[in-house]
Amino acid sequence: EAQVTQNPRYLITVTGKKLTVTCSQNMNHEYMSWYRQDPGLGLRQIYYSMNVEVTDKGDVPEGYKVSRKEKRNFPLILESPSPNQTSLYFCASSNGGGPGWGYEQYFGPGTRLTVT
Amino acid sequence: AQKVTQAQTEISVVEKEDVTLDCVYETRDTTYYLFWYKQPPSGELVFLIRRNSFDEQNEISGRYSWNFQKSTSSFNFTITASQVVDSAVYFCALTGTNSGGYQKVTFGTGTKLQVIP
Repeated sequence: EAQVTQNPRYLITVTGKKLTVTCSQNMNHEYMSWYRQDPGLGLRQIYYSMNVEVTDKGDVPEGYKVSRKEKRNFPLILESPSPNQTSLYFCASSNGGGPGWGYEQYFGPGTRLTVT
Repeated sequence: AQKVTQAQTEISVVEKEDVTLDCVYETRDTTYYLFWYKQPPSGELVFLIRRNSFDEQNEISGRYSWNFQKSTSSFNFTITASQVVDSAVYFCALTGTNSGGYQKVTFGTGTKLQVIP
């Protein structure tokens, strides 16, 4: 089954404790992206990747890191989480040249992160 | 900078009523794409439709239709004869690619639609 998986689905952590949210897709997509969803703000793009070793900032990259060492994986790293990073996070992947060329995104199920 | 405005935060309709969800966008790109996604109460995000900046044809898919008007920078979504299963948050999104291959996706804040039986 074609899918985007994220782990963990739920995470409660404390300020400053480094964490990684994994994202994996089995569709051989080149484009992958991370979003955060907050009430009243919709989805905001954190980082995206056009291919292995090619990443770029979205609208809200501060406090996050990403890496793309393999085509299928695109982990999101919070080196020193803070309470304002409490949010619902979605990973997505897209075929072809990505959404900028009209390809729709396939989203993972989301990761609900709480930072206390 | 790109911007997507979904001014309707929440809409409630009675089943079988028609409802239109508004989406207004801003971009400096000459080539861009607009998308609609649905997020039902279960939380997943589901693609509904895409439209490129050169194609102003309206589209109909069953009870769903989309009206793209470049003159007013709008890409509105109409559900005819709404059903309870249409209850969801609907997001409009805008993407563009510049000559450097830069791709950014901008979502609107979403419209929560509640269809009352």
